[in-house]
Amino acid sequence: DTGVSQDPRHKITKRGQNVTFRCDPISEHNRLYWYRQTLGQGPEFLTYFQNEAQLEKSRLLSDRFSAERPKGSFSTLEIQRTEQGDSAMYLCASSSSEEETQYFGPGTRLLVL
Amino acid sequence: KQEVTQIPAALSVPEGENLVLNCSFTDSAIYNLQWFRQDPGKGLTSLLLIQSSQREQTSGRLNASLDKSSGRSTLYIAASQPGDSATYLCAVPSNTGKLIFGQGTTLQVKP
Repeated sequence: DTGVSQDPRHKITKRGQNVTFRCDPISEHNRLYWYRQTLGQGPEFLTYFQNEAQLEKSRLLSDRFSAERPKGSFSTLEIQRTEQGDSAMYLCASSSSEEETQYFGPGTRLLVL
Repeated sequence: KQEVTQIPAALSVPEGENLVLNCSFTDSAIYNLQWFRQDPGKGLTSLLLIQSSQREQTSGRLNASLDKSSGRSTLYIAASQPGDSATYLCAVPSNTGKLIFGQGTTLQVKP
């Protein structure tokens, strides 16, 4: 399977715990995006990488959130001191500079109790 | 600030009907528009991408149109089937490439 993959697919955690999600983009894609989606809403942009450089961050990305793409391949999104309001689907997408279509992974569904 | 709106939020039709989903955007300075499908609890599947220079894009029973000047796009689904039941999202890119999504239209096609 050469699509975008995300791990884990589901995560249940207690408020105050830290969680980390991983995204593996399509191998030749240099652009990687993170989005968050709550029930009944469209996805909202969180952050964007071109290769290993984080070029844009949304105001939604509080200081409890950090994202990395250390070698320009996979990316991680960490949430520290989780809150119930962080419960959502976290989606990763990738694209290439030559093709504008963004391809999405299956998402990680986070539930904070 | 770009805003994307989709109407209606939900739609239920009998199998076999042709239907139109609507998407509107406030800033007409876009370079493309993308339609996605999302099944419950799943990620997004890209359906069609229309470049700003195009007026229509077709894939099988799906036809998407784009009218930049009026800030509108439509997704036409011909001969709907129960398997078409899903949420349909439209999105436009900012100048940095991030996508700005509408709220989606949840479609139910009844057998």
